[in-house]
Amino acid sequence: QVQLVQSGAEVKKPGASVTLSCKASGYTFINHYIYWVRQAPGQGLEWMATLNPSGGLTTYAQKLQGRVTMTRDTSTYTIDMELSNLRSEDTAVYYCARDSSAGLIKSYAFDIWGQGTMVTVSS
Amino acid sequence: QSALTQPRSVSGSPGQSVTISCTGTSNDVGAYNYVSWYQYHPGKAPKLIIYDVSKRPSGVPDRFSGSKSGNTASLTISGLQTDDEADYSCTSYAGFYTHVIFGGGTKLTVL
Repeated sequence: QVQLVQSGAEVKKPGASVTLSCKASGYTFINHYIYWVRQAPGQGLEWMATLNPSGGLTTYAQKLQGRVTMTRDTSTYTIDMELSNLRSEDTAVYYCARDSSAGLIKSYAFDIWGQGTMVTVSS
Repeated sequence: QSALTQPRSVSGSPGQSVTISCTGTSNDVGAYNYVSWYQYHPGKAPKLIIYDVSKRPSGVPDRFSGSKSGNTASLTISGLQTDDEADYSCTSYAGFYTHVIFGGGTKLTVL
């Protein structure tokens, strides 16, 4: 079935980097934009980044510019998100999600979600 | 604090209708027809139930409908069923740099 499966929980120290993976299956990988969003404890969801899996072009949230990098591997249908220079406020559950529109037309609606990955940043 | 404002909770009886509001600004909800709604059941992945303000994905019953007026979008659930008891949240496109913003979620209780 169509699914996104994320890598496991991470615990990192401040200043470190973390790379989260999201493996897609059950659909044509290059046809749907992929997003990363996160939810810090007690906070709402926050958009982080968007990737065009066909050409690899990315868009990043301004507040994360310079710290976030989203890449894809079209041979393994995997999307990675690296967040560097981690701070305590980066502690959150991170989700990858698929845009519901095929053919690389964004609807900004997420029809398939990964299961979420907890990232804890603590000294 | 979420970018889109939703009521914390709403309730209704089986068979009734309820409406959940999602209030943004003229820079997001009011500017674009990219409002989506999600249903969250505990322990399950979020389910997309409305996109592009009022479109339903395949398999979503027509009891779920969406609309927008000005800076406020609404989700209406008619013919309430006990299975509809869940959390519901909205999202909206908010321009290139902000991309997508989220509501804080509304808990629907079916009495």
